[in-house]
Amino acid sequence: GDSVTQMEGPVTLSEEAFLTINCTYTATGYPSLFWYVQYPGEGLQLLLKATKADDKGSNKGFEATYRKETTSFHLEKGSVQVSDSAVYFCALRVNNDMRFGAGTRLTVKP
Amino acid sequence: DGGITQSPKYLFRKEGQNVTLSCEQNLNHDAMYWYRQDPGQGLRLIYYSQIVNDFQKGDIAEGYSVSREKKESFPLTVTSAQKNPTAFYLCASSKGGDSGNEQFFGPGTRLTVL
Repeated sequence: GDSVTQMEGPVTLSEEAFLTINCTYTATGYPSLFWYVQYPGEGLQLLLKATKADDKGSNKGFEATYRKETTSFHLEKGSVQVSDSAVYFCALRVNNDMRFGAGTRLTVKP
Repeated sequence: DGGITQSPKYLFRKEGQNVTLSCEQNLNHDAMYWYRQDPGQGLRLIYYSQIVNDFQKGDIAEGYSVSREKKESFPLTVTSAQKNPTAFYLCASSKGGDSGNEQFFGPGTRLTVL
């Protein structure tokens, strides 16, 4: 079945470091891909999305490109801040079926 | 402001009791979903509904029940048949079944069974 695999955490970075969180997917159809962020004790918030191959989603300095050839949607940010500390979820959707990765916890230290 | 509300934020239940979690949305979305989140894990789908008066089981529906009598509301009942109900429960909604439509999430309800 459709699934998402993302890099295991936790990830700890210093402020202003470069961030990459890897995400790969398996899907039988043509999925849309998403990154969500979850702050402690809260629900998930959409960070960015891409609906077709080669699309780049971007928001708040975060970027991810839908790579069909490598079935990947890696999340990147050039300079992280302490406020970026959260859990990040990669997800895919085919029609009404949405699948989430296990989440990657990011901690950014001053 | 449009959004999804869940209540209560924290809920305590004694073993053997049923409990109902509330989820309301004013986004005019057709589809609504319930997920369960356990520590260090992703989200697992319990039930979803694409239209009023219709709903389908997700991956872990056993021990749960839902209703969809109004477009805005999708309450989840955790029954005594659910063996390990302590978890964080998230409600979500989306415009419909199209792959490109993102899901919007509520703030969650943390259920603890005593």
